Amino acid sequence: NAGVTQTPKFQVLKTGQSMTLQCAQDMNHNSMYWYRQDPGMGLRLIYYSASEGTTDKGEVPNGYNVSRLNKREFSLRLESAAPSQTSVYFCASIDRTNTEAFFGQGTRLTVV
Amino acid sequence: DAKTTQPPSMDCAEGRAANLPCNHSTISGNEYVYWYRQIHSQGPQYIIHGLKNNETNEMASLIITEDRKSSTLILPHATLRDTAVYYCIVRLSTSYGKLTFGQGTILTVHP
Repeated sequence: NAGVTQTPKFQVLKTGQSMTLQCAQDMNHNSMYWYRQDPGMGLRLIYYSASEGTTDKGEVPNGYNVSRLNKREFSLRLESAAPSQTSVYFCASIDRTNTEAFFGQGTRLTVV
Repeated sequence: DAKTTQPPSMDCAEGRAANLPCNHSTISGNEYVYWYRQIHSQGPQYIIHGLKNNETNEMASLIITEDRKSSTLILPHATLRDTAVYYCIVRLSTSYGKLTFGQGTILTVHP
């Protein structure tokens, strides 16, 4: 039981490049989330998917797009990376009781 | 979701109880108090949650005041592995798991 798996773990991009962060969960959870964490700060919600086929904006959605590919997978895309998007990105899913969120180990992204 | 206030940092001796306070004076009647922790930049880990009764699990105890305006997370016998950032979060149970993180409390457990 792997829980929430994120790929890649590290990435360096040049300004203007695009990339997709992948997230998969094997716990049959309906809801999935993408957060970002800047140095010394708490996590901020970028986008979430309450159930398969739906996505909604969170607190800081600008510059990102998401796709809920199926119940297991929720990807985050940066179309044109900017240095302000340098951050650690966490994917999470939540159990059926809407109680305990499970987080991946994070993707450390640097945009130069 | 209601805003929370936590001290930026706390220290604790190994083997002693760590008591982490959280103020949530604007909490509404149907909002729960959740605690998560983040160890060394790993993904956050759920600890415990409660509505108005005190709660205990294998990791910690949660004490919520009668007026629900504040709470305390208690780690009964802190170990070095409990050194982490602890986040107190208030949210509705129906908010699809959306969590609003503040800056949390950095707990350092000393030998």
